[in-house]
Amino acid sequence: KQEVTQIPAALSVPEGENLVLNCSFTDSAIYNLQWFRQDPGKGLTSLLLIQSSQREQTSGRLNASLDKSSGRSTLYIAASQPGDSATYLCAGAAYSGAGSYQLTFGKGTKLSVIP
Amino acid sequence: SQTIHQWPATLVQPVGSPLSLECTVEGTSNPNLYWYRQAAGRGLQLLFYSVGIGQISSEVPQNLSASRPQDRQFILSSKKLLLSDSGFYLCAWSGWQSNYEQYFGPGTRLTVT
Repeated sequence: KQEVTQIPAALSVPEGENLVLNCSFTDSAIYNLQWFRQDPGKGLTSLLLIQSSQREQTSGRLNASLDKSSGRSTLYIAASQPGDSATYLCAGAAYSGAGSYQLTFGKGTKLSVIP
Repeated sequence: SQTIHQWPATLVQPVGSPLSLECTVEGTSNPNLYWYRQAAGRGLQLLFYSVGIGQISSEVPQNLSASRPQDRQFILSSKKLLLSDSGFYLCAWSGWQSNYEQYFGPGTRLTVT
């Protein structure tokens, strides 16, 4: 059974810093890996999707990498801003049959960017 | 573009009362649909998923049930709520057209008193 771990659980950085969020997973047979952002009391916003055949994906100031052999993914945020403050979740997808893929989520990293 | 709706946004219900939460998706056809629960201090837990009308798979045995009466409609129900059913309920969809990337709705905050 897939297990996803995110370290640290919380992170506080000054504005402008570059930062890395870590995600590890136990089953390397993932179909894809997604990074999400969740603001308090809100739903999840998909940030980046990395297919199992890819090594990284980029969107603006965000860059996500995937290393299946080591069971790790990282989310790099460049030049952090107070608006980046949120909880970041990673999730690995596995095939569950009949054309469906299930996500297993980590518990998230709560990021605070201090002005 | 695709849009996912959930209602109600918030709900306060007494123990033992019934529950019905609704999720609808616009702008796509034959999506995979998912219900998750996020309890305080815990991660997201997959409750049910569906690959088609009338096809429901349950991940966690509990007093909740799900139904999919139409292609883009997913309903979460309970006949009698428990205190432990309190939490944030999220609906999501995915499809082959987007490499099964999951997209989430705004959620329903349920408080059982």
